[in-house]
Amino acid sequence: EPEVTQTPSHQVTQMGQEVILRCVPISNHLYFYWYRQILGQKVEFLVSFYNNEISEKSEIFDDQFSVERPDGSNFTLKIRSTKLEDSAMYFCASAGTSGEFVETQYFGPGTRLLVL
Amino acid sequence: AQKVTQAQTEISVVEKEDVTLDCVYETRDTTYYLFWYKQPPSGELVFLIRRNSFDEQNEISGRYSWNFQKSTSSFNFTITASQVVDSAVYFCALSVVSTSGTYKYIFGTGTRLKVLA
Repeated sequence: EPEVTQTPSHQVTQMGQEVILRCVPISNHLYFYWYRQILGQKVEFLVSFYNNEISEKSEIFDDQFSVERPDGSNFTLKIRSTKLEDSAMYFCASAGTSGEFVETQYFGPGTRLLVL
Repeated sequence: AQKVTQAQTEISVVEKEDVTLDCVYETRDTTYYLFWYKQPPSGELVFLIRRNSFDEQNEISGRYSWNFQKSTSSFNFTITASQVVDSAVYFCALSVVSTSGTYKYIFGTGTRLKVLA
């Protein structure tokens, strides 16, 4: 069964460093998402991406964040200058083509980011 | 406003007991989707069920059952004869169309279920 994959599974970085979290969505999916879950809290929407551009972003998704689909298969989240409060689990998700339950998102296993 | 409320922060039960996790949602949309996910200690989100706003039939899958009531905006989840392996955090989520035309999930705060042997 096709699945969303994410790399790395864990990342430790120093405050102020740039990190790139990578995701490979399900092939042929058209909608892509990033969510964030701070330890012990709920999962929060960050950004949605469709047709090679951001569809919607939350208040959390400030200028430090960017997303890209560089090669038609990967979907990346970049944090330019990490802060301590960026420490969280980051989930990538993708959703299907029109008429194929586009409201159902398939989640990757997450990347646990720790900023020291 | 779109919102999901899971009022139960943590529930502890003894193995073989039945347990119900509550979920109340708010949305002005007439078309929406509701989900339950299980998050074990390893951290991934495990899909349990999807329900659309036009289908109010209750569903049973093995020891799991779901009660969807539009009149009270609730989508409750019951585990029958709980087992230690059911211990996890359970999230209820609402999927609605955003202004951009894409969907996004709004999660509740989760309920931590501890099943004691």
